[in-house]
Order: sequence, then C-alpha cells, then structure tokens
Amino acid sequence: DTAVSQTPKYLVTQMGNDKSIKCEQNLGHDTMYWYKQDSKKFLKIMFSYNNKELIINETVPNRFSPKSPDKAHLNLHINSLELGDSAVYFCASSQEHYNEQFFGPGTRLTVL
Amino acid sequence: AQKVTQAQTEISVVEKEDVTLDCVYETRDTTYYLFWYKQPPSGELVFLIRRNSFDEQNEISGRYSWNFQKSTSSFNFTITASQVVDSAVYFCALNTGTASKLTFGTGTRLQVTL
Repeated sequence: DTAVSQTPKYLVTQMGNDKSIKCEQNLGHDTMYWYKQDSKKFLKIMFSYNNKELIINETVPNRFSPKSPDKAHLNLHINSLELGDSAVYFCASSQEHYNEQFFGPGTRLTVL
Repeated sequence: AQKVTQAQTEISVVEKEDVTLDCVYETRDTTYYLFWYKQPPSGELVFLIRRNSFDEQNEISGRYSWNFQKSTSSFNFTITASQVVDSAVYFCALNTGTASKLTFGTGTRLQVTL
C-alpha cells in the first residue's frame, strides 16, 4: 500500500490555467506538507498543515491555495499558472513536525 | 534562522570506494533534529535517518554510517564500499522546535561508476 500518494504524476498545462494536485496519506499522520523542488533540485517548503489547520505559509503567492478536507488529505490548487511555477511538487506527511517526513512520488508540473 | 550547507555539489567515485558526504548546519535552538534523504534518479525522496540534538551517538546501518558532531555543527554521512545503486542526490535537512519545518541543504549528487 502506498503511504503518501499524489495525483497526477505529470501535469502539462498552458499559462493562465488553473490546476489542482491531490495528496493522500494512509499513515495516520497529523501533519502534512507541500514542497516545491526547482530545476536545480532545491527543495523548499510551501505549506504545512496540522490536523487540517494551516501552520506554515512560506510567503507563497496567493495564487497557491492549499486545502485540507481532512487530516489524511492535503490538496494544492494553483490559479493563473505562470512559467515560473514549473517544478516538481512534493507532498509529505509526519506524525509531529519534528518527526521524519515521508514524501509522495512528486508531481512534475510544466507550464507552457 | 536555520541553515544547512552541503558544500559538495557533486562527487564521483568508482564502485567499492568509500565516500563521505558533508553537512554543516546552523541554528540557535538547543533542540533540533537532523535528517538525511536520498533522491535516486527515479525522483522519489527516501528517508534515511533522523537524529536529535541530544543524541550524538554515531549510527551505522549496513554500509551507511553517520557522524554527528555538535562541536563542529556537522552531520556527515559515509557510504562504505559504494555501489552503483547508491547513485543519487543526497539531502541533509534540519528541523528546529521553533521553526517547525524542514530546511534542506542544496544536495550532493553522488555518481558511482563501475
């Protein structure tokens, strides 16, 4: 069974479109995260949720809106996509913020 | 502020060589947690180890070992008798109690050839 899953794995879209990435974890963890990995492999946290509450919002443009319908799911909606949004987006989860995080397989977003 | 530095951008070794990946961290917190993750060419991020700041004991897991030294703010990772399957980007990361988030280093790309 997959611990942290993301859909879709690949997303190719035009500038200006709106898209969503879904994430689910079956580990029973309380905390979930979104990370962005750029073309140079640099990983940076975007958001963190604990029990459906937003804990961290790392000065991400408000075109990015996370939504946590329950503690097993954390979705990422992106409005008005820009070229610079092209990256790999990783979802992760952990029991507490200081525990090891388990990552999903990543979603490669390409904005044309 | 917390920071992680992985000064080695890329390392190439021949199979069976030992290799050490360096990680230096900065934090003012006395309680913190250090991690290593592996990202193979397939792209997933694989958790390798977690250490807390109160436990300086070195750890060995098979061919992998980690050396944590608070005096030099370092958490280095050694692979003994490297194998081609070890080829990946390795990330060191830091989490502190106050920041409540993982700060990653820039990663070290390890290439192991036959």
